[in-house]
Amino acid sequence: DQQVKQNSPSLSVQEGRISILNCDYTNSMFDYFLWYKKYPAEGPTFLISISSIKDKNEDGRFTVFLNKSAKHLSLHIVPSQPGDSAVYFCAASEFNEKLTFGTGTRLTIIP
Amino acid sequence: SQTIHQWPATLVQPVGSPLSLECTVEGTSNPNLYWYRQAAGRGLQLLFYSVGIGQISSEVPQNLSASRPQDRQFILSSKKLLLSDSGFYLCAWITGSGANVLTFGAGSRLTVL
Repeated sequence: DQQVKQNSPSLSVQEGRISILNCDYTNSMFDYFLWYKKYPAEGPTFLISISSIKDKNEDGRFTVFLNKSAKHLSLHIVPSQPGDSAVYFCAASEFNEKLTFGTGTRLTIIP
Repeated sequence: SQTIHQWPATLVQPVGSPLSLECTVEGTSNPNLYWYRQAAGRGLQLLFYSVGIGQISSEVPQNLSASRPQDRQFILSSKKLLLSDSGFYLCAWITGSGANVLTFGAGSRLTVL
């Protein structure tokens, strides 16, 4: 049972435009959500997180939005840069328990 | 500073051979440690986690085992590898301070032939 889903395996965006990566979850007990970025042959690196008490968190070019009623979160990157090309994983946890990851979305920024 | 090391970085092993992947962390004590696997076309699957020396929790039944002989050492093993064990293995740690941010190692690429 995949509790965290990323339904788009890949996404291509023009440089300078906005990249929007989506993630859906089924467990209503999740209270903390994270996005990780992964380059090939490297470990994922933490990007941004959001608690369930918020609906938006912003850090520079990255903004995460949480819609609890829809059990949906999204990551916005604006403006998109070539270095943003990577695989992005969303993850969720409940009550400080272990993280559950989505299957990832490969983002390609087109120069 | 806090760092995490994994080795070997790359491994090619024949079916039926044993496996040992090692992970160590520095700059912290009593971390929660995790082994994840990223298989082709799949997300990050949690294999094992440990909250202390000798304490191992398995998430999925499989051909692998884990051990934690020391506070900052986490080992992933197999007695006989299967083709399906191929993948990218990631060790990660969390301080247990309440923030659920995992820090990952650089990973170990295992190819079973």
